[in-house]
Amino acid sequence: QVQLHQWGAGLLKPSETLSLTCAVSGGSFTDYYWSWIRQPPGKGLEWIGEINHSGTTNYNPSLRSRVTISVDTSKNQFSLKLYSVTAADTAVYFCARRSMIRGFFSHFGGQGTLATVSS
Amino acid sequence: DIQMTQSPSTLSASVGERVTLTCRASQSISSWLAWYQQKPGKAPKLLIYQASNLESGVPSRFSGSGSGTEFTLTISSLQPDDFATYYCQQYDSYSPLTFGGGTKVEIK
Repeated sequence: QVQLHQWGAGLLKPSETLSLTCAVSGGSFTDYYWSWIRQPPGKGLEWIGEINHSGTTNYNPSLRSRVTISVDTSKNQFSLKLYSVTAADTAVYFCARRSMIRGFFSHFGGQGTLATVSS
Repeated sequence: DIQMTQSPSTLSASVGERVTLTCRASQSISSWLAWYQQKPGKAPKLLIYQASNLESGVPSRFSGSGSGTEFTLTISSLQPDDFATYYCQQYDSYSPLTFGGGTKVEIK
């Protein structure tokens, strides 16, 4: 049974960099794309971007200039960096899995990670 | 971007009722649509993919239909565990993948 476990800093100041990591266990790492999705408090879901095991990335154009997603295949982990954060980046961040050929998300990381941006 | 619009934003219903949620796409997405259920403080859970395919382990009271720009999620007999927020997501275009704003199903 695949499990996604995520962690990272929860409280940031404006202009800092949000860093999160997601570790994958119990399933194939190479057969999927690995995504980050966020949800501002009380609001809907926003796809941030994704990466596969070979490092191919796709980003949401609205965030592309501030986002880097990277992968560490030796640890079955992938990471998110969001630069120059503002209060608008306050959200619960989820890692998620989708298949190589289908664009829906079959598994998500636990309860997500709340990142709060405040001075 | 393909915009996904869900209606209603909130739906009040009783246990045992049949409920229908709607999702509309700003352009045709064929059948490339998924539905998720999310409960407070939890990650979304996949219910339906490719508009009408039930994910393994999801109760058969959930069903999806539609193609093109209009889609529905139906719960044939609402159960206490079904009170949650439901999101649709298109995957016709990956630039970017987009979600609807959600429909919250409340107890009447």
